[in-house]
Amino acid sequence: EPEVTQTPSHQVTQMGQEVILRCVPISNHLYFYWYRQILGQKVEFLVSFYNNEISEKSEIFDDQFSVERPDGSNFTLKIRSTKLEDSAMYFCASREGLYSNQPQHFGDGTRLSIL
Amino acid sequence: TQLLEQSPQFLSIQEGENLTVYCNSSSVFSSLQWYRQEPGEGPVLLVTVVTGGEVKKLKRLTFQFGDARKDSSLHITAAQPGDTGLYLCAGYNYSGNTPLVFGKGTRLSVIA
Repeated sequence: EPEVTQTPSHQVTQMGQEVILRCVPISNHLYFYWYRQILGQKVEFLVSFYNNEISEKSEIFDDQFSVERPDGSNFTLKIRSTKLEDSAMYFCASREGLYSNQPQHFGDGTRLSIL
Repeated sequence: TQLLEQSPQFLSIQEGENLTVYCNSSSVFSSLQWYRQEPGEGPVLLVTVVTGGEVKKLKRLTFQFGDARKDSSLHITAAQPGDTGLYLCAGYNYSGNTPLVFGKGTRLSVIA
């Protein structure tokens, strides 16, 4: 069964450094998302992306964050200057369409640890 | 902000017992998804419910969407150790390109 793949599985970065998290959504999906989950807390929405544009973003997704679809398969999340509080699991998700019975499918996540 | 409250937060039961976990909101959702998440992994979709009153079965798991589409339940019959995990409900506030709103989850432990 097609799946969303994310790399790396674990990223350790010094505070203030830039980090890029990568995702390959399911191939026929058109809508892409990033979520994060701080340890012990619920999954929180960051941003949605469609047709090479951000569709919606949360308050968490400030100027330090950006997303890009650099080619036909990859979808990336960049954090320009990481902070300690950016430590979390970051999940990419994709969705084929917008019918109510078309759910989002998630990757296994990237564990980001900021030192 | 629409919230989804899940209960109980933790549940520990013996193998063979039945259980029900709940997902409640004061707001209407266009659809609800149930996911299961293992430690260090992403949420894995179990089911989507769309219509008020809808019931879906997945082997020993029965999912129900409330008539008013504000709540949902997951019932597991004859729980097995392999059912152990974090069960998450997540919903779409409205139709269209909308993000998922997640509950905090119910952490289930089934003891052999």
